[in-house]
Amino acid sequence: AQSVAQPEDQVNVAEGNPLTVKCTYSVSGNPYLFWYVQYPNRGLQFLLKYITGDNLVKGSYGFEAEFNKSQTSFHLKKPSALVSDSALYFCAVRDPTNFGNEKLTFGTGTRLTIIP
Amino acid sequence: KAGVTQTPRYLIKTRGQQVTLSCSPISGHRSVSWYQQTPGQGLQFLFEYFSETQRNKGNFPGRFSGRQFSNSRSEMNVSTLELGDSALYLCASSQQSEMAYEQYFGPGTRLTVT
Repeated sequence: AQSVAQPEDQVNVAEGNPLTVKCTYSVSGNPYLFWYVQYPNRGLQFLLKYITGDNLVKGSYGFEAEFNKSQTSFHLKKPSALVSDSALYFCAVRDPTNFGNEKLTFGTGTRLTIIP
Repeated sequence: KAGVTQTPRYLIKTRGQQVTLSCSPISGHRSVSWYQQTPGQGLQFLFEYFSETQRNKGNFPGRFSGRQFSNSRSEMNVSTLELGDSALYLCASSQQSEMAYEQYFGPGTRLTVT
């Protein structure tokens, strides 16, 4: 069974500093990995994905994530945080070995607060 | 392109009633998935439909059901509502299931059961 862990419920970062939101996963085979962001009273917005290829993937709003197979991690990063980045962030995994299975398994979420 | 739309956005029901939620996917998207989001359980997969067929189902009781129409629009139904069914129900669509396309989410329907 696939699973995702986000070890930090809350991350606080000063505006302008780099930020990292951590994610580790467990899945058989090579994973499909995703990051989503959720603002209050909104649905989830897609940020970026890793399917194959370059371990560093770039996404929306200046975010990037690094896939590390040996550590089974997919941490979300941004070089310089903005107050508007404050939101709830979810890491998700999809099992590519299960053909036709769209199911995403989500982590518990990390609340990111950027302090002005 | 218009995004995923969900109706209604907010709903208040009484225990024992039933409810139907609607989802219109992005044009051209054939796969529609439903998720339940609660503070205690987080985001949990309900089911996924592709070409009017349910392909995957999460670990929810039979009170939760859904369907998909020929235009890819989907509905989910919850019968005999319980207090614990209060949640944000999210619908997501994707372009084609054989490829690792990302899912795009609607704004959700906030269901409150009293």
